[in-house]
Amino acid sequence: ILNVEQSPQSLHVQEGDSTNFTCSFPSSNFYALHWYRWETAKSPEALFVMTLNGDEKKKGRISATLNTKEGYSYLYIKGSQPEDSATYLCAPLGYGQNFVFGPGTRLSVLP
Amino acid sequence: GAVVSQHPSWVICKSGTSVKIECRSLDFQATTMFWYRQFPKQSLMLMATSNEGSKATYEQGVEKDKFLINHASLTLSTLTVTSAHPEDSSFYICSARGGDQYNEQFFGPGTRLTVL
Repeated sequence: ILNVEQSPQSLHVQEGDSTNFTCSFPSSNFYALHWYRWETAKSPEALFVMTLNGDEKKKGRISATLNTKEGYSYLYIKGSQPEDSATYLCAPLGYGQNFVFGPGTRLSVLP
Repeated sequence: GAVVSQHPSWVICKSGTSVKIECRSLDFQATTMFWYRQFPKQSLMLMATSNEGSKATYEQGVEKDKFLINHASLTLSTLTVTSAHPEDSSFYICSARGGDQYNEQFFGPGTRLTVL
């Protein structure tokens, strides 16, 4: 998996707004997809590991869906809070391959 | 979750000197660690895979003689940037692989290297 895209590149929302962003990847040779949250000056933190087409994972106000046939995953944040401000990275994994990280979506939640 | 530390968190050095960055898994053993580099406004780029007790596997385009990797124990991998030049200035981050089948990785906080 070489070509990983994330959109938008950056996003500014007001506190309380819900938002979503996209990770696109080649659908062939798909094995798993990881979402990470990376706050400034901290280590990237794993959010979800998704493996099956149609997977939907949820962690608090954050959820993610996966479509392996068309090669995309959506990350949703409901009722955004300032502490959600971070860069969200997706990393699809092909069989026998290492991660390829997307460029990230930088989210800023304004109080 | 598992904790990975990285040291130093930032370093400034003169051109021509070598810089060593340490990556430690604090509460688990990691047979495999990864070194990434991030240029401004770009994604994390895998430089090399570090395997305990054996030679690192470098990605295409990464000079192994320039970026020396040593994974001498199950909790420590080091990256040495030899004869650093200003173009080596970057953000370097390591990760350690957990035991799951989906290659979950635990990241260190990164090292900002500035070469003058």
